[in-house]
Amino acid sequence: QVQLIQSGAEVKKPGASVKVSCKASGYSFIGFYMHWVRQAPGQGLEWMGWINPKTGDTDYAQKFQGRVNMTRDTSISTAYMELTSLHSDDTAVYYCAKDGGGDYVGGNWGQGTLVTVSS
Amino acid sequence: DIQMTQSPSALSASVGDRVTITCRASQSISSWLAWYQQKPGKAPKLLIYKASSLESGVPSRFSGSGSGTEFTLTINSLQPDDSATYYCQQYSRYWAFGQGTRVELK
Repeated sequence: QVQLIQSGAEVKKPGASVKVSCKASGYSFIGFYMHWVRQAPGQGLEWMGWINPKTGDTDYAQKFQGRVNMTRDTSISTAYMELTSLHSDDTAVYYCAKDGGGDYVGGNWGQGTLVTVSS
Repeated sequence: DIQMTQSPSALSASVGDRVTITCRASQSISSWLAWYQQKPGKAPKLLIYKASSLESGVPSRFSGSGSGTEFTLTINSLQPDDSATYYCQQYSRYWAFGQGTRVELK
């Protein structure tokens, strides 16, 4: 079965960077885009961008352009999301989510990684 | 960017009630619309995709309808386990989510 296992919680200071990993199993990692979505405490879901694991091509939401970098390591079926210049309102749970391809949106999400930004 | 607007933002209903949540897209998204259920501390769970297709394993009391810019999620005969926040999502161009609708049981 499809599994997306994310790295553990992080605590960072303002101005620092964080890199979250998402290890995929149970399907062809290079066959499906991987999305990243975040959710601030008590708030809604916010799409950050996606990566094509086959090519490494990325597309980011305008809000995060210049501050986010999505990469992958196909040898270990793992996607990464790095966010730089952190500030307090980046405190959120960060999720990876597998695209479904075609008509299907995809129903597989990681368990989430809490990133806390605090001085 | 495509904006998604849900209404209402919260509702309270009784067990057995029929509940309807509406989602509007800022431009046509054809049928590229999904609905999720999220409970506290958990990742969102897919309920409906392509506006009206029921995800495998999801109870049949959940249904979706609509196309273009107007969409609806209906929960027939609300159950205690349905207390959660519901999000619509467009996947026509990138992804974008509605702000969520919190469903509480009276």
